Amino acid sequence: GENVEQHPSTLSVQEGDSAVIKCTYSDSASNYFPWYKQELGKRPQLIIDIRSNVGEKKDQRIAVTLNKTAKHFSLHITETQPEDSAVYFCAASDSQGGKLIFGQGTELSVKP
Amino acid sequence: DAGVTQSPTHLIKTRGQQVTLRCSPKSGHDTVSWYQQALGQGPQFIFQYYEEEERQRGNFPDRFSGHQFPNYSSELNVNALLLGDSALYLCASSLLAGSSYNEQFFGPGTRLTVL
Repeated sequence: GENVEQHPSTLSVQEGDSAVIKCTYSDSASNYFPWYKQELGKRPQLIIDIRSNVGEKKDQRIAVTLNKTAKHFSLHITETQPEDSAVYFCAASDSQGGKLIFGQGTELSVKP
Repeated sequence: DAGVTQSPTHLIKTRGQQVTLRCSPKSGHDTVSWYQQALGQGPQFIFQYYEEEERQRGNFPDRFSGHQFPNYSSELNVNALLLGDSALYLCASSLLAGSSYNEQFFGPGTRLTVL
């Protein structure tokens, strides 16, 4: 069935370093890939997304890359700051406006 | 412009009881999706409502049911509660009609504890 695998489950970096989180998906029909940031006790917040017709998208310190052939996509955060510490979830959707299949999450810790 | 809102914030029930959770979508949105998030896990899709009908459903038993009202708000009902139903229930809204986007925005969630 549909599945999204996310790695690593935990990631610790020094402030100013880069962080990379990787996801793979199983359903080749997936065409929309959002990333959410969830701080402790708060709602998931959409931070960036990418559609299958592009290979890369960037928004300030955050970028996402997509390789449809290999069925994987990645989140890149540069110049990390302590406020980037949170749990990050990748997701994939197989139809327009449809359900999101989430990865298991990555707990990012940025040490000052 | 109000974002997605949910009520109640927290809820404690006992096994076998029934619960109703409520969600109001972001202004201008017409679609509501419900997710269950167990502690330390990613959200799991329950179902999605559009035009007052269930549009998609995840792998959840019939004890989970929902409704969407003409003003696009939605309810999630869970019958015969089990201990395993304890989780954070998240509502997400999006715009489906006339849109090529699938951005889903989440509410703050309802924390359900079943004793």
